[in-house]
Formats: sequence, C-alpha cells, structure tokens
Amino acid sequence: AQSVTQLDSQVPVFEEAPVELRCNYSSSVSVYLFWYVQYPNQGLQLLLKYLSGSTLVKGINGFEAEFNKSQTSFHLRKPSVHISDTAEYFCAVSSSGGSNYKLTFGKGTLLTVNP
Amino acid sequence: NAGVTQTPKFQVLKTGQSMTLQCAQDMNHNSMYWYRQDPGMGLRLIYYSASEGTTDKGEVPNGYNVSRLNKREFSLRLESAAPSQTSVYFCASSERRGYTEAFFGQGTRLTVV
Repeated sequence: AQSVTQLDSQVPVFEEAPVELRCNYSSSVSVYLFWYVQYPNQGLQLLLKYLSGSTLVKGINGFEAEFNKSQTSFHLRKPSVHISDTAEYFCAVSSSGGSNYKLTFGKGTLLTVNP
Repeated sequence: NAGVTQTPKFQVLKTGQSMTLQCAQDMNHNSMYWYRQDPGMGLRLIYYSASEGTTDKGEVPNGYNVSRLNKREFSLRLESAAPSQTSVYFCASSERRGYTEAFFGQGTRLTVV
C-alpha cells in the first residue's frame, strides 16, 4: 500500500523568507508525485508534478520540488514567499504498478506567511 | 471553461435524510473520483471510476453509493445521512488513471445535524 507523510502540519514564515514543506512517501512500486495547493474555500489546484526524468521539478508561482528516491522524499521549496502564498499544501502519490492507480494524499501543511 | 462542476455548494441535512451530490466534467476525462476532506485528515478517497461503466471503492466507502451516469457525470449518494458524514466533498477527474493530474471541483460543504 502507498502512503504519504507530510512532516509539518503548520509552517509559519515571514514574507520574503524561504520555505520548505516536507513530504515523504512509501510505495512498493514506481511512483508519480504531486503537490497541490488549496486556497481558503476553494478546490485543489496542481502546483507541480514528478512523473519521470529530471528530479528537480518547477511549478507555478515560483515553487519547485526535488524527488529523492533514496530518501523517498518530495520536498516543496520556494526561495521567497509572499502573503498570497498563504494556503494549505498537499503532497500526493500515485503508483504506476498494476491496478493501484489511486491518488493518495497527505494530511496537508498549512503555510501562513506573515508580514 | 467550466472544468469540474459540483452541485450543490452547501447543504444541511437531518440525520437519516438522503441526498445526491452531483458532479460533471467537460474535459472528456476517463477517470472520476469522490473525496472527503476533514480537518487534519487530508483528502480521503470514497469511490472512484476508472472509466465509464466502472466504479470501485476507495478508502472510506461505507455509507455512500455512486453512479457513473455517463462519461461526464459521476454522482455520490448518501442513503441515510449521519453526523459523521459532515465534511467537505470534492469531485475530481483525470484524463487517465494514476499518472495524470486530477482536476478538482470547488467542493460541497455538507452538514448533518
């Protein structure tokens, strides 16, 4: 079975500071990895995805993530955050093997950017 | 460009009442999903449909039924609502299962009293 662990439930930072949101996964087969963002009272929107190839993936709004197979991690980073980045962020995994194609989400990390 | 449309956006039910949450997508996607979101729990899969005519249970299917009416529409039914089903429900769709991104609706906030 696959699972996702987001190591921090809340991350407060000041505006223009760098941020890293941590995500670890477990799966017995090859994986596809995603980061989604949810603004208040809205649905989820894709930030970026790793399917194959380069382990450094760039997404929208200046976010990037690095896939590390040996550490089974997919941490999300941004060098300088804005107030508008305040939202909940979800890491998700989908396995490529067999019929296990369900998208499994972590419990989310609430990023709060303070002035 | 509507994407994934859910109705209703808000609903209050009494315990024991039934209702159907509607979902439609206009992206010609094969796969559709129903999730529930509860504080501190992330999103949990209730049911999914890999393609028209097929449905499968997800992580938390008890108390729910689904119908994949056609390629566009995937409904979720609560036959006898319980307070434990108070949640925000999201419908999503993807072109193919697994390795393509899922597109989400705006959610239905359901309260069972």
